[in-house]
Amino acid sequence: KAGVTQTPRYLIKTRGQQVTLSCSPISGHRSVSWYQQTPGQGLQFLFEYFSETQRNKGNFPGRFSGRQFSNSRSEMNVSTLELGDSALYLCASSLALAGTGEQFFGPGTRLTVL
Amino acid sequence: GQQVMQIPQYQHVQEGEDFTTYCNSSTTLSNIQWYKQRPGGHPVFLIQLVKSGEVKKQKRLTFQFGEAKKNSSLHITATQTTDVGTYFCAGPGDRGSTLGRLYFGRGTQLTVWP
Repeated sequence: KAGVTQTPRYLIKTRGQQVTLSCSPISGHRSVSWYQQTPGQGLQFLFEYFSETQRNKGNFPGRFSGRQFSNSRSEMNVSTLELGDSALYLCASSLALAGTGEQFFGPGTRLTVL
Repeated sequence: GQQVMQIPQYQHVQEGEDFTTYCNSSTTLSNIQWYKQRPGGHPVFLIQLVKSGEVKKQKRLTFQFGEAKKNSSLHITATQTTDVGTYFCAGPGDRGSTLGRLYFGRGTQLTVWP
């Protein structure tokens, strides 16, 4: 079956702009988690959605938001971009709540903020 | 808050040498997961340990879960160049507000030279 897909794969934005990233989980998976990965900070948890409800949120400012649709696809939005938002954004899906079993990661969206 | 710590951050070995990465949690974990991320790639699930004192092997990789379920290790025997990558451990949240969240260690970046 198809894996987790993320679009776009690469994105270049300028400071102050906003961006929307998309994640399509594996069919049947109800949980989608988002992570920010930077060389200095490792994998930082952004939020987790399960059946369209945000169940957990990491320590990121309100500029970072997300949602999940009824088909489990998820989007995350970053408004008023800052240089420090440059990172690889990964989403991961799982059958049940994240942490109960294997998470399947997508290839990520590489965001560069100029 | 809950934390998962991992050491060392970097490890450089010659092909054929052994490698070990250690993971410690600030809280007791219901399970621990290990992921591998190749350079330029995304994290891929390796294994999940659930039982106290559990030891699992995958070819040259040996995974252990401590008796107190607060620490874990990954040992690779006779490393090969294909083992290059970053190895992450991750544990789930331990209470209602954090269930559904995976706490990742910072990872150990393994370099193998021939």
